[in-house]
Amino acid sequence: DAGVIQSPRHEVTEMGQEVTLRCKPISGHNSLFWYRQTMMRGLELLIYFNNNVPIDDSGMPEDRFSAKMPNASFSTLKIQPSEPRDSAVYFCASTIGGSQSNEQFFGPGTRLTVL
Amino acid sequence: AQSVTQLGSHVSVSEGALVLLRCNYSSSVPPYLFWYVQYPNQGLQLLLKYTTGATLVKGINGFEAEFKKSETSFHLTKPSAHMSDAAEYFCAVSEVGNEKLTFGTGTRLTIIP
Repeated sequence: DAGVIQSPRHEVTEMGQEVTLRCKPISGHNSLFWYRQTMMRGLELLIYFNNNVPIDDSGMPEDRFSAKMPNASFSTLKIQPSEPRDSAVYFCASTIGGSQSNEQFFGPGTRLTVL
Repeated sequence: AQSVTQLGSHVSVSEGALVLLRCNYSSSVPPYLFWYVQYPNQGLQLLLKYTTGATLVKGINGFEAEFKKSETSFHLTKPSAHMSDAAEYFCAVSEVGNEKLTFGTGTRLTIIP
């Protein structure tokens, strides 16, 4: 299995631009999580989906952030417009769902820099 | 609500010495407990997990952790540190029926040659 795939691995953009991060979960996993990691705040859960439906988006910082999961094999996290304070590493993780352990498998992350 | 406290944001040990990283949790129901490791510029990788059964759990790379309900702890240990163990370690908790993981703030482990 290829594991969780994220793209791009690095993104540098200017303030005000739209940024789209992509994630492909492990095949057969039906729950997907988006996290943000910064030095100041550590690892924060932004939103998670179960069977393509958003279950908890309470961690989404503001309306500039949106996430979609149009099918079981693809999800996007969009920031529009981006700001320098959005600079962070964004991780996607997936889990089988309904399992007896809730183990999450993480992707390699996307390092976002907003200038 | 569940929560995790990791004591010590930075821990340094000499190569060959015992590694002990501390984790205490709070949960209203029996928890699932995890230790993840993050190497520089990489995602989080599962080291070990406790769900039910034996309270001493063995993981990858020689690490193990013991679930102590009375102390609400899940400390991570390794008898002999190796240079390759230098990384950041995260403790996490979840509950039956709740897929969300609550992570601690992480402990950065440095190995002294």
